[in-house]
Amino acid sequence: GAGVSQSPSNKVTEKGKDVELRCDPISGHTALYWYRQSLGQGLEFLIYFQGNSAPDKSGLPSDRFSAERTGGSVSTLTIQRTQQEDSAVYLCASSLTGVTNEKLFFGSGTQLSVL
Amino acid sequence: GDSVTQMEGPVTLSEEAFLTINCTYTATGYPSLFWYVQYPGEGLQLLLKATKADDKGSNKGFEATYRKETTSFHLEKGSVQVSDSAVYFCAPPKGKSTFGDGTTLTVKP
Repeated sequence: GAGVSQSPSNKVTEKGKDVELRCDPISGHTALYWYRQSLGQGLEFLIYFQGNSAPDKSGLPSDRFSAERTGGSVSTLTIQRTQQEDSAVYLCASSLTGVTNEKLFFGSGTQLSVL
Repeated sequence: GDSVTQMEGPVTLSEEAFLTINCTYTATGYPSLFWYVQYPGEGLQLLLKATKADDKGSNKGFEATYRKETTSFHLEKGSVQVSDSAVYFCAPPKGKSTFGDGTTLTVKP
């Protein structure tokens, strides 16, 4: 596609429910990144994919968070048993190869609200 | 690992004022840094990158020069416009890094 697409744009859920957030990167981009932006905070790195592999999962805040990428394209971030502190904007970005000094292209994000 | 520390607190300026947003960068490798901007209602986009000592990154009147003595890449613009109102983030050159906290700039006519 023309840009990075994320869905849904907004998600309201109840505490304890599971949610899935989707990211569709720019076609041909092998690197894909997930970030979390809590209110008043910077972009916290969560996980990075190179192709379908996630060599770096160090940023995932707990074992309730998981992510996968299939076909070297679409990625899904899953949060199980959501908590109120999970409320944030979840951003996805992609880049062509994932090397250092490479420009990132961002989606518009998913605003997650856990009631 | 690499990390950035960005100046805190929102910045409010009058049109045509001079802008500086500070970002200090600790790097294990070669120093380079990105500045991203988020305009109201839009996603993050790359503003500029500065890639080595004394090599300014520049775009849309913004500049960022690496200062070795302070390990900083301050973002500067000589004369801001209302349309520059946005949130500015400094970021290490690796995508798998946490960005700075962001600085909200409001420019008043």
